[in-house]
Amino acid sequence: DAKTTQPPSMDCAEGRAANLPCNHSTISGNEYVYWYRQIHSQGPQYIIHGLKNNETNEMASLIITEDRKSSTLILPHATLRDTAVYYCIVRVSLGGGSQGNLIFGKGTKLSVKP
Amino acid sequence: EADIYQTPRYLVIGTGKKITLECSQTMGHDKMYWYQQDPGMELHLIHYSYGVNSTEKGDLSSESTVSRIRTEHFPLTLESARPSHTSQYLCASRDVGSYEQYFGPGTRLTVT
Repeated sequence: DAKTTQPPSMDCAEGRAANLPCNHSTISGNEYVYWYRQIHSQGPQYIIHGLKNNETNEMASLIITEDRKSSTLILPHATLRDTAVYYCIVRVSLGGGSQGNLIFGKGTKLSVKP
Repeated sequence: EADIYQTPRYLVIGTGKKITLECSQTMGHDKMYWYQQDPGMELHLIHYSYGVNSTEKGDLSSESTVSRIRTEHFPLTLESARPSHTSQYLCASRDVGSYEQYFGPGTRLTVT
């Protein structure tokens, strides 16, 4: 599975958009990009995933570059409750022989400040 | 809202005691997972199960054991707790065909 690189920490002002980058330059054609977040002391929470098209849901938007070597998770109007560690995970599709296990790296610690 | 539960939420216990951490889910998911996470550190997969009577060890070696006798129940047992087992233990489950894992609130274990 492709390795991901994320900045260790980021700050964002409350009400502004938070843009969290992820580099996955070795991603292959059948690998999806998944984003989870973990608020302090809680279990991780799924946010969004995508293959090559941009995706949006009620929580966030996922922008994947055309070459798929990087992606950006966008929280359009960050609130204090969005302060968390955000994990970018790349995994093959479940039909590609994957066991479906997730590998969490160190993630990006996002601090939303008033 | 995910229906996955862990008990106890917090446990302080002495060295040498046997402990069982409970994990239950009401979503009918076949796939279940146990992760271990030290404060401020990464999550590491220690056990997983693809269904009843199926259990596998994860990426991080652990002295704990698991069982899966019922679909909804995936308990983790430590036969003899040691201070090195002090950590947070997180249980998760997912549906077939989806990578979206639902996590429980975790059990914070302290072994004195």
